Amino acid sequence: GNSVTQMEGPVTLSEEAFLTINCTYTATGYPSLFWYVQYPGEGLQLLLKATKADDKGSNKGFEATYRKETTSFHLEKGSVQVSDSAVYFCALSIGGSEKLVFGKGTKLTVNP
Amino acid sequence: NAGVMQNPRHLVRRRGQEARLRCSPMKGHSHVYWYRQLPEEGLKFMVYLQKENIIDESGMPKERFSAEFPKEGPSILRIQQVVRGDSAAYFCASSPRRGDTDTQYFGPGTRLTVL
Repeated sequence: GNSVTQMEGPVTLSEEAFLTINCTYTATGYPSLFWYVQYPGEGLQLLLKATKADDKGSNKGFEATYRKETTSFHLEKGSVQVSDSAVYFCALSIGGSEKLVFGKGTKLTVNP
Repeated sequence: NAGVMQNPRHLVRRRGQEARLRCSPMKGHSHVYWYRQLPEEGLKFMVYLQKENIIDESGMPKERFSAEFPKEGPSILRIQQVVRGDSAAYFCASSPRRGDTDTQYFGPGTRLTVL
């Protein structure tokens, strides 16, 4: 089946630290990959996406590269801010399917 | 252009009551998806609807849960005879096209608490 595994949280960092949140996937087809962010009390917002191998998605200083050989889509940011504190979800979809399959989420807290 | 709207934002029900969750998709979107987020879990797909049609309900529990998206008005997710295990955040997403997960826009969710 299709599934997403992301690193267990919570993750606590100091401002300006480097962030990596690991995400690996299992898919029966050729998936598109996504990172969503959920701020406290809000719905999910699409952060970035990649639709084919070696694509790099980027937005707001966050990046993730679609690695087919390692079935991974790790999220990175060079210098986090307090405002990045949120829950981050890795997700996939298989072409032609309307479903998003989510990981369990990783809670990030950034301290000043 | 208003985003996806869900109401109520918070809903408290006692065991055995009915819960009705509403979702108004973005303007021009005719595809609606419902997801459930249990505490400390990721979102799980429940059902996908187009106007007046249920396309995929493979994630819906077999009993007590139903969904509709009428020709006019919002999509409704109904939970009958709620139990404590139904306590969760329910998110609705909408998109303008079928099979286009790139453009699923999420609402703020309804947080259901069953006492």
